[in-house]
Amino acid sequence: QSALTQPRSVSGSPGQSVTISCTGTSSDVGGYNYVSWYQQHPGKAPKLMIYDVSKRPSGVPDRFSGSKSDNTASLTISGLQAEDEADYYCCSYAGSFSWVFGGGTRLTVL
Amino acid sequence: EVQLVESGGGLVQPGGSLRLSCAASGFTFSSYTMNWVRQAPGKGLEYVSYISSSSSAIYYADSVRGRFTISRDNAKNSLYLQMNSLRAEDTAVYYCARNFLYALDIWGHGTMVTVSS
Repeated sequence: QSALTQPRSVSGSPGQSVTISCTGTSSDVGGYNYVSWYQQHPGKAPKLMIYDVSKRPSGVPDRFSGSKSDNTASLTISGLQAEDEADYYCCSYAGSFSWVFGGGTRLTVL
Repeated sequence: EVQLVESGGGLVQPGGSLRLSCAASGFTFSSYTMNWVRQAPGKGLEYVSYISSSSSAIYYADSVRGRFTISRDNAKNSLYLQMNSLRAEDTAVYYCARNFLYALDIWGHGTMVTVSS
């Protein structure tokens, strides 16, 4: 499968909101409600932030929210904080026990 | 504590082989499906392989199919990735990750594989 499409970078000031998009196809994002989002700080392993499009694992702040419309999923981070600065990856189930990641988005907190 | 710890990475020549291991602890390993994900230096995440809890279902990305073999030993709480015919483009940090529904909720710290002469 081809990687999902994400913007290479986004930025925002502390307290603001930012949204990261993730565009796929009807074979992945559009075909399943199984989009997940991961936060990765430099040199660290990815951390699950959102699963099943909009659900948050225990311990993830409610400032993080997810949604999906057709073939595009979105991650919104409200009330930006300095520690939110990281790389963010979307991921979608693509059928037959396969998953596909997005190219990643670098979030800069100004 | 729920934990995954990878090992087995290193420097290998093109065409060579390497076997990665992932030791699981703090959860019932045999109940979970598992995955390998890799990340080339300075690049994004790439999904590599999946194995069901009983090893009855396995998936490989096109980029590694025919060269890599995923396996697990539930008695030893361990996941493996046998990598043969390695290429320069296989150079990456390799992560093992546990499935939670259709997401990956627990990740190891990763092990670096460098393919170079």
